[in-house]
Amino acid sequence: DTAVSQTPKYLVTQMGNDKSIKCEQNLGHDTMYWYKQDSKKFLKIMFSYNNKELIINETVPNRFSPKSPDKAHLNLHINSLELGDSAVYFCASSQEYSNQPQHFGDGTRLSIL
Amino acid sequence: AQSVTQLGSHVSVSEGALVLLRCNYSSSVPPYLFWYVQYPNQGLQLLLKYTTGATLVKGINGFEAEFKKSETSFHLTKPSAHMSDAAEYFCAVGETGFQKLVFGTGTRLLVSP
Repeated sequence: DTAVSQTPKYLVTQMGNDKSIKCEQNLGHDTMYWYKQDSKKFLKIMFSYNNKELIINETVPNRFSPKSPDKAHLNLHINSLELGDSAVYFCASSQEYSNQPQHFGDGTRLSIL
Repeated sequence: AQSVTQLGSHVSVSEGALVLLRCNYSSSVPPYLFWYVQYPNQGLQLLLKYTTGATLVKGINGFEAEFKKSETSFHLTKPSAHMSDAAEYFCAVGETGFQKLVFGTGTRLLVSP
């Protein structure tokens, strides 16, 4: 009965590789997000999708490309991984309105060697 | 632009003592305010939220927060700390029409026996 699920939970890879993280929500929400949490625990939004449409792109390098095949899924593809991409990536979802809380997945810890 | 300041990156209390975690926000319009808790290796879980109405908001696990517009604050309190409260706590602000949250830098709550 997991609400927001991300896979994989851990991702260890080398610089220059391309990797993807998948996210699915079963809450019936219209809006999904990707956040990056750095080593100091600071959380910053990267992208937001509403009904499969990109609505927020917070000056993220274009090596990061989100894809939303339907409103229950939001995947994140990262090209040419760099050391600075090491972080925990969280997927979240919410109902459309901005006063609604966001529900978070357990995160994907990405480590670049 | 919205911003959130959480005073104190670490707060230490004894079990049974009062918990007070501070949050001040900046917003050009009436804000929506949230407190989230993050346990190790987990995603963020909503503790409570303020949107409109009563300024004293009760959340899960005995936590509550009071919205004070004149002080632009939304401090989190719990009368009696429990060992299980040890975690990272994040305050976040949202605005009408913008489906994104801006998070504070987090406060780690340490509870000693």
